[in-house]
Amino acid sequence: SQQGEEDPQALSIQEGENATMNCSYKTSINNLQWYRQNSGRGLVHLILIRSNEREKHSGRLRVTLDTSKKSSSLLITASRAADTASYFCATAPNTGGFKTIFGAGTRLFVKA
Amino acid sequence: EAGVVQSPRYKIIEKKQPVAFWCNPISGHNTLYWYRQNLGQGPELLIRYENEEAVDDSQLPKDRFSAERLKGVDSTLKIQPAELGDSAVYLCASKGGGAADTQYFGPGTRLTVL
Repeated sequence: SQQGEEDPQALSIQEGENATMNCSYKTSINNLQWYRQNSGRGLVHLILIRSNEREKHSGRLRVTLDTSKKSSSLLITASRAADTASYFCATAPNTGGFKTIFGAGTRLFVKA
Repeated sequence: EAGVVQSPRYKIIEKKQPVAFWCNPISGHNTLYWYRQNLGQGPELLIRYENEEAVDDSQLPKDRFSAERLKGVDSTLKIQPAELGDSAVYLCASKGGGAADTQYFGPGTRLTVL
């Protein structure tokens, strides 16, 4: 079963707008990661945020983590058509081992 | 630096036939993962290797799936016999040592079982 659940399932915006995707999870985690997947390709790592961090930035990406609510958000600012992809959150539960559990993803479509 | 290589990229077989997928991880990466990704879903872990040892294969359907990682480098994932429900993308990923959890994914093999 998948621990992370992304919301919304799909998002369509105009180029230049911001895109926000949310992820909720069930158990305590060591870290949470966001990955991007273009159609027909493998996943590409975007950013990792540790359980003791609240916010992290990387270029046009901003990730927040609220461990009390077991949720995270990914904000893409000034979106571009090339940002069109599926975005997945992946959690590393702190139950031991090194398992990474992926959510079902948010499909983002950026219209030029 | 070369990324994770997978072959074939596409495979179409009839049900009950065997099929094998091959993965070459990034050089020096000790951890190797096989995932299955169904349409519209995220990847689900099938098996994880640390060097040549399978350390997490709880999600691998062992009645028909098998995997090996000889010499702790390349890996193969086999399905025998394939069923219609096995149609999916099979992703291989690798990770280096240390505390970082970043996984590097290959492009995947899209399997269609007819």
